[in-house]
Amino acid sequence: DVKVTQSSRYLVKRTGEKVFLECVQDMDHENMFWYRQDPGLGLRLIYFSYDVKMKEKGDIPEGYSVSREKKERFSLILESASTNQTSMYLCASSAGGVDSPLHFGNGTRLTVT
Amino acid sequence: RKEVEQDPGPFNVPEGATVAFNCTYSNSASQSFFWYRQDCRKEPKLLMSVYSSGNEDGRFTAQLNRASQYISLLIRDSKLSDSATYLCVVNPGGFKTIFGAGTRLFVKA
Repeated sequence: DVKVTQSSRYLVKRTGEKVFLECVQDMDHENMFWYRQDPGLGLRLIYFSYDVKMKEKGDIPEGYSVSREKKERFSLILESASTNQTSMYLCASSAGGVDSPLHFGNGTRLTVT
Repeated sequence: RKEVEQDPGPFNVPEGATVAFNCTYSNSASQSFFWYRQDCRKEPKLLMSVYSSGNEDGRFTAQLNRASQYISLLIRDSKLSDSATYLCVVNPGGFKTIFGAGTRLFVKA
């Protein structure tokens, strides 16, 4: 089974802090993704990566950056956390190819106060 | 128009009932389709892929109608444990996967 592990289940940060969310997958997947999920808005893609050191903006990249220095690890960075970034953050990976489903980590619930 | 639309429900059904969800998508060039299940405060998990010929996995049947641009999920003999949100997922090609907002299902004893 694919395992996608997110480093923290719950995080509480203060406005203006720099926040790092880490994600590791163990299936040698090419593609990795960061989503956020908010009530009424569904899942929205923040950034994705299709190879080491490669990254592409998703639908809502503002206020975020990412890093993929190794194939198995994809980090999401909130440069200066704001209260509107309070959300559930979900990391996912896929093997590549349009028929490959996404496999999600168990999520990080971030609260920015 | 949203790229992927689902009836948000909730659907409230008794145990043993058959329930069907539909989902429509706007991009006729979409290439792959999935149903995911998401329990409250948990991550989405793949339920099944949806193939042009239709496919079945136990009590679950998925159908794809490309001409009308919709996919469906049928759950037979509903169990309490089927209570969840069901997400329709479409890949229009490339790396972006589009998620529907989800349909909530409550199965009652």
